[in-house]
Amino acid sequence: EAQVTQNPRYLITVTGKKLTVTCSQNMNHEYMSWYRQDPGLGLRQIYYSMNVEVTDKGDVPEGYKVSRKEKRNFPLILESPSPNQTSLYFCATIIRASGGSSYEQYFGPGTRLTVT
Amino acid sequence: AQSVSQHNHHVILSEAASLELGCNYSYGGTVNLFWYVQYPGQHLQLLLKYFSGDPLVKGIKGFEAEFIKSKFSFNLRKPSVQWSDTAEYFCAVKRGSQGNLIFGKGTKLSVKP
Repeated sequence: EAQVTQNPRYLITVTGKKLTVTCSQNMNHEYMSWYRQDPGLGLRQIYYSMNVEVTDKGDVPEGYKVSRKEKRNFPLILESPSPNQTSLYFCATIIRASGGSSYEQYFGPGTRLTVT
Repeated sequence: AQSVSQHNHHVILSEAASLELGCNYSYGGTVNLFWYVQYPGQHLQLLLKYFSGDPLVKGIKGFEAEFIKSKFSFNLRKPSVQWSDTAEYFCAVKRGSQGNLIFGKGTKLSVKP
């Protein structure tokens, strides 16, 4: 079964304490992405990766880092979390739609992060 | 900058009412269009998508959407909503061959039983 998994699902932490949210996919997809979802703002892209060792900034990259050392994993790193990073985070992978040149994304279950 | 606009923040309907949620985008080139649904406490699920061809797209759970290129719109419709349709709905646009999806801010739908 095609899956995008995230860990942890819930996390409460304090300002300044480094944390990593993991994302893993079992579909061998090249493209992976991180979003944050905030009330009234929809989903905003943080970082994305087109392939191993290829990452790029999305719309709201400040305060975040990512790495893509292997195809299946795309961790999101908060070196020094702040309260404004309290949010719901989604990892996603993109696949080519069957028979076409277009794509669709599949989302992980989400990680709810609270920074106090 | 390219954007996706969803006109309604919160829509409240009674069961069996008809639904139309608006979505407009500002990109003029080739686009792929999506509607996602997020039920309370869950992650996003793909409801339907448009790549090319027939502009009227049918999705899961009785939803459909119509792509009107001249209006840059991709409105979501359902003729008769159910209480279980209570969720947040997101329109998204993917531009050309790029991998990024741009999301609207979402529309919350509350269906009263």
